[in-house]
Amino acid sequence: DGGITQSPKYLFRKEGQNVTLSCEQNLNHDAMYWYRQDPGQGLRLIYYSQIVNDFQKGDIAEGYSVSREKKESFPLTVTSAQKNPTAFYLCASSIGGAAYTEAFFGQGTRLTVV
Amino acid sequence: DQQVKQNSPSLSVQEGRISILNCDYTNSMFDYFLWYKKYPAEGPTFLISISSIKDKNEDGRFTVFLNKSAKHLSLHIVPSQPGDSAVYFCAARPLNTGTASKLTFGTGTRLQVTL
Repeated sequence: DGGITQSPKYLFRKEGQNVTLSCEQNLNHDAMYWYRQDPGQGLRLIYYSQIVNDFQKGDIAEGYSVSREKKESFPLTVTSAQKNPTAFYLCASSIGGAAYTEAFFGQGTRLTVV
Repeated sequence: DQQVKQNSPSLSVQEGRISILNCDYTNSMFDYFLWYKKYPAEGPTFLISISSIKDKNEDGRFTVFLNKSAKHLSLHIVPSQPGDSAVYFCAARPLNTGTASKLTFGTGTRLQVTL
């Protein structure tokens, strides 16, 4: 089945450690995105990528880094510079080049930093 | 600055009745609007969308209305079912974002459909 896979579903890390969240899609989508959800807030865009080897900052990119070496993969690294890393992280993808298209989401990774 | 606003954090509706979820936006460059449904600890799933050239789009029990002059959209669910209980997010996409479907989300409305 086509879809977006995020792993792991739950992740615990000690404060000060970098951690990488995985996102893989087999939908052949060009564009991929990372969002963060906090309680009582909407989804906020961290980074997005329109094509392999290219990515742009979203609204809250500070303390995060990404790479897009393959079309299928868009990993997100939460660095020690991120002040409040505990959150629910969502990866999404969409067809590139289409004016009106929805984004499809993975199941999310809940990161807890202790 | 919250560009997409869902002012009702929660809504309770009886099974079989109509659920109306509202969303307001401030950015006049938004031209495509979407509704997503989300269960706890899961990713959002796409429900229905509308482009700015329309004022209504219908898909089964779900209808989205867009009032561009008021910068307001609403999602109607008729009839409401217990399985509709979830958090609903309104999202919007501006013009000229290249090939990326960058979405700005509202804060969500938790719908509870009671028996």
